[in-house]
Amino acid sequence: QQPVQSPQAVILREGEDAVINCSSSKALYSVHWYRQKHGEAPVFLMILLKGGEQKGHEKISASFNEKKQQSSLYLTASQLSYSGTYFCGTEILWGKLIFGQGTELSVKP
Amino acid sequence: EAQVTQNPRYLITVTGKKLTVTCSQNMNHEYMSWYRQDPGLGLRQIYYSMNVEVTDKGDVPEGYKVSRKEKRNFPLILESPSPNQTSLYFCASSPSRGAMFYEQYFGPGTRLTVT
Repeated sequence: QQPVQSPQAVILREGEDAVINCSSSKALYSVHWYRQKHGEAPVFLMILLKGGEQKGHEKISASFNEKKQQSSLYLTASQLSYSGTYFCGTEILWGKLIFGQGTELSVKP
Repeated sequence: EAQVTQNPRYLITVTGKKLTVTCSQNMNHEYMSWYRQDPGLGLRQIYYSMNVEVTDKGDVPEGYKVSRKEKRNFPLILESPSPNQTSLYFCASSPSRGAMFYEQYFGPGTRLTVT
């Protein structure tokens, strides 16, 4: 029941765009996105709720297809600070969150 | 400063010796949760608590207990630790509105080694 993230890893040059996908086999209450830098705790990026409400980071956008139980995170004009591992978390029951295995993003100068 | 604190940050213990990892938040959040993180497996939820009255199992609750006697604290208890519980543990809290919880604030993590 763990959501599948793709790609598993991606390397970008500064200024390039990236899309990270998250697909679940279960019906979802919401999708959460977090970024974790090496040796640090995860940091909240975005939450997408059923019905279309979004809340999150100004420079990052995301979509949530409720019918397909899929979410995508869009990173535009990437900066060096975007490097890290991105996790999607799928809320399958009230309060119960299942995270994907992560997507490692590396932005090079 | 608004934060989630965990103690201890590092712990090496032996199999079978009961231990407690404390978690405290000062943001008056209703929702709290515990995760473990292992290489290649991402974050896995152990237990979560929507509020002081509601606590439930996450994806990997076996071998763990939790207690939510007050809003700010959510300790994780390992009654009889085993080597497969060696991991990095994170506590998190979140504001909630009705049935929804929002952004989670994570503590700094506790690295546990069970020998």
